[in-house]
Amino acid sequence: NAGVTQTPKFQVLKTGQSMTLQCAQDMNHEYMSWYRQDPGMGLRLIHYSVGAGITDQGEVPNGYNVSRSTTEDFPLRLLSAAPSQTSVYFCASSETPDRGPGYTFGSGTRLTVV
Amino acid sequence: QQPVQSPQAVILREGEDAVINCSSSKALYSVHWYRQKHGEAPVFLMILLKGGEQKGHEKISASFNEKKQQSSLYLTASQLSYSGTYFCGTVHTGTASKLTFGTGTRLQVTL
Repeated sequence: NAGVTQTPKFQVLKTGQSMTLQCAQDMNHEYMSWYRQDPGMGLRLIHYSVGAGITDQGEVPNGYNVSRSTTEDFPLRLLSAAPSQTSVYFCASSETPDRGPGYTFGSGTRLTVV
Repeated sequence: QQPVQSPQAVILREGEDAVINCSSSKALYSVHWYRQKHGEAPVFLMILLKGGEQKGHEKISASFNEKKQQSSLYLTASQLSYSGTYFCGTVHTGTASKLTFGTGTRLQVTL
């Protein structure tokens, strides 16, 4: 049971480049979310999904796009990378986050934009 | 809107107790607690639903005060393994599944 798998683990981008962070889960969870973590800022919600075909914005959605074509996959796209998007990105999934159990997190993607 | 956690950091000697607080300005449906060790992903500890219940396992427990929109995490007889950053996450009434995290409390347990 792999849980939540994120790829790549590390990435360096040049300003203006685009890329997709991949996230896949094998637990048949309906709920999936993307967070970014910056020092002193905690975990901030970028986008989330309550099921295939349904996504919504979180606290810091600007500069990011998501889609959810299958239950398993929830990719995060950076349209035109900026240095402010340098961060650690976590994908997470849950069966029912409002009632529990809580989210299972992937191991994260450390992104540097130069 | 992010919940507010306090304190921001705490240093304990092994065996001492600690309390971490989490508060929100909006009506809460549930509160999550997670622990993150350096360089790792957050790990789920427990969830509390509105109703004021208290939950826990071993020496880590939590309470949820629905009237005050607050939750507290209690760590008793702390162990070295308790070191890490603790995050509360909140789900607000009417926003099912949207989990918002606080800025975290860094806990260091020393000998």
